[in-house]
Amino acid sequence: QVQLQESGPGLVRPSQTLSLTCSVSGDSISSGGYFWTWIRQYPGRGLEWIGYIYSSGDTYYNPSLRSRLSMSVDTSKNHFSLRLTSVTAADTAVYYCARDRESGFDYWGQGILVTVSS
Amino acid sequence: DIQMTQSPSSLSASVGDRVTITCRASLGIRNDLGWYQQKPGKAPKRLIFAASTLQSGVPSRFSGSGSGTEFTLTISSLQPEDFATYYCLQHNTYPLTFGGGTKVEIK
Repeated sequence: QVQLQESGPGLVRPSQTLSLTCSVSGDSISSGGYFWTWIRQYPGRGLEWIGYIYSSGDTYYNPSLRSRLSMSVDTSKNHFSLRLTSVTAADTAVYYCARDRESGFDYWGQGILVTVSS
Repeated sequence: DIQMTQSPSSLSASVGDRVTITCRASLGIRNDLGWYQQKPGKAPKRLIFAASTLQSGVPSRFSGSGSGTEFTLTISSLQPEDFATYYCLQHNTYPLTFGGGTKVEIK
């Protein structure tokens, strides 16, 4: 059974950097074939695709976030990470990691609420 | 970005009702569309991918149809556990985009 688990701080100060990690079990990131993805959900419903990283380290980011976003992967630890710089209150959301094989997201983490506030 | 317009944004229905939710894409996306169900406090769960392929383990009362720009999710006989919010997702063009969601409530 594939499982994903997000971890990181639940509170980030404005202008600081949001850092999250997604730990994967039941599948090996290094085996390839999947796009390891971050998605966020704003309070009230809206879902936004943030971007993905492949096992090779190749990435594709949402253009709306590209200037502030970076992702990395550590295949030895079987996890991947997100860094979003210069956060504002508009970045407050539940952040999900998910697995994608170009047909949508078949496995999701449980999500982590990140609040941007001083 | 491809805009996904989902309708209605909410609906009230009774157990046993047939429910239809529509998603319209601003550009043609072939059949690269999925439907997701989300319950409060939980991550979305995929029900259908490639417009009409049922995810393993999902009850057959769920079905999807459409291609190009018009897509439909149908629940043939609404069950108590189906009261949730439903989203469509286009996975044809990056950035991937979701519909705004349809909340299915108990009448």
